[in-house]
Amino acid sequence: GAVVSQHPSWVICKSGTSVKIECRSLDFQATTMFWYRQFPKQSLMLMATSNEGSKATYEQGVEKDKFLINHASLTLSTLTVTSAHPEDSSFYICSASRIHGTGTWDYGYTFGSGTRLTVV
Amino acid sequence: GNSVTQMEGPVTLSEEAFLTINCTYTATGYPSLFWYVQYPGEGLQLLLKATKADDKGSNKGFEATYRKETTSFHLEKGSVQVSDSAVYFCALRRGGSQGNLIFGKGTKLSVKP
Repeated sequence: GAVVSQHPSWVICKSGTSVKIECRSLDFQATTMFWYRQFPKQSLMLMATSNEGSKATYEQGVEKDKFLINHASLTLSTLTVTSAHPEDSSFYICSASRIHGTGTWDYGYTFGSGTRLTVV
Repeated sequence: GNSVTQMEGPVTLSEEAFLTINCTYTATGYPSLFWYVQYPGEGLQLLLKATKADDKGSNKGFEATYRKETTSFHLEKGSVQVSDSAVYFCALRRGGSQGNLIFGKGTKLSVKP
């Protein structure tokens, strides 16, 4: 079945440094990738939507200069948290929208396993 | 706007008990509805979905029926197992093809032997 590999699964970084999170679709084309942030005991909040080859669309309140998203190919999207601060500590999850070879969408979203970011 | 409201947990049940997790939604048009499950330390997995009114999604003994008249998509299982312990998210797909999902806050289920 469709798999999205998300790395790293956890990372600890110092305040002020940058962290890159990768999501790769392993056996399908991900024309659209969604990036979510999950706070403890809360739901997933959509941060941005990225389409291959174009700029990401950010949700209101999400700083695009802080959370850099790149979707350079149909199998890879990255989220870079720049100049991280402790308040950026959270669980980040990517989700890819699957497209069949026929170009049809099967209502499928495949989620990565998430990245636990801790900024100290 | 579009939103999802689901019952707050945690929910604690004994093995073989009946499970209901309520979910209601607010949406324009005709959204698709989903239940996702998140096991400890893992990402979300699709549990079941329904794409139009009166559709029933089912998987692994779980069921949910798309009720447009009550704007609900309640999750049910007749006999839960310890392995069902997880966080369950109700979600709707925002309009348009490949629209993003809007999630409820999640309900943590703990099943005791």
